[in-house]
Amino acid sequence: DTGVSQNPRHKITKRGQNVTFRCDPISEHNRLYWYRQTLGQGPEFLTYFQNEAQLEKSRLLSDRFSAERPKGSFSTLEIQRTEQGDSAMYLCASSLGDRGAFFGQGTRLTVV
Amino acid sequence: QQPVQSPQAVILREGEDAVINCSSSKALYSVHWYRQKHGEAPVFLMILLKGGEQKGHDKISASFNEKKQQSSLYLTASQLSYSGTYFCGSTNNAGNMLTFGGGTRLMVKP
Repeated sequence: DTGVSQNPRHKITKRGQNVTFRCDPISEHNRLYWYRQTLGQGPEFLTYFQNEAQLEKSRLLSDRFSAERPKGSFSTLEIQRTEQGDSAMYLCASSLGDRGAFFGQGTRLTVV
Repeated sequence: QQPVQSPQAVILREGEDAVINCSSSKALYSVHWYRQKHGEAPVFLMILLKGGEQKGHDKISASFNEKKQQSSLYLTASQLSYSGTYFCGSTNNAGNMLTFGGGTRLMVKP
């Protein structure tokens, strides 16, 4: 197992377009997190899955954001009608229970 | 509610010590520490699950004071490789939602 994998690594999109990111967690990890990080800031919590169930979602997250984790394996994060303020690094992390979370390399989104 | 870290930045000479603090206005169920180097993803350092627990490896250790709702990360005899931004993360009482502080930028100079 090579760790948490995220695709794509970079995405440039025009304002108003929809984008989808994929995260493949470490295979035995039951928890999966999505975060957004901008320069100089800590990772901002977006949403959390335990197996296939989405247990938490940030109240700051607009309805344009949605995430899924079918069958408790990989996860996707979709942003609809992207805005320039959505430009950021989107990080995925996975863990086994409440143990250390391991991060992927992230997807850098640029909305032009 | 995300934890609060202090200081925001530290500059050290090689061999000096540093302490980074993490506190919360709500009860901490667990505390996680991560280090992120520029352009890279955060890397897990350690987790503390019980109040009063202390952990460490090499010259980096941490403590967790559950009553005071705070944790501290200790870096002793710092090395150049310690440079980066350190984040503490905490989980809620269900041990679920892992949220992060704003980070402490550490720079170790020769």
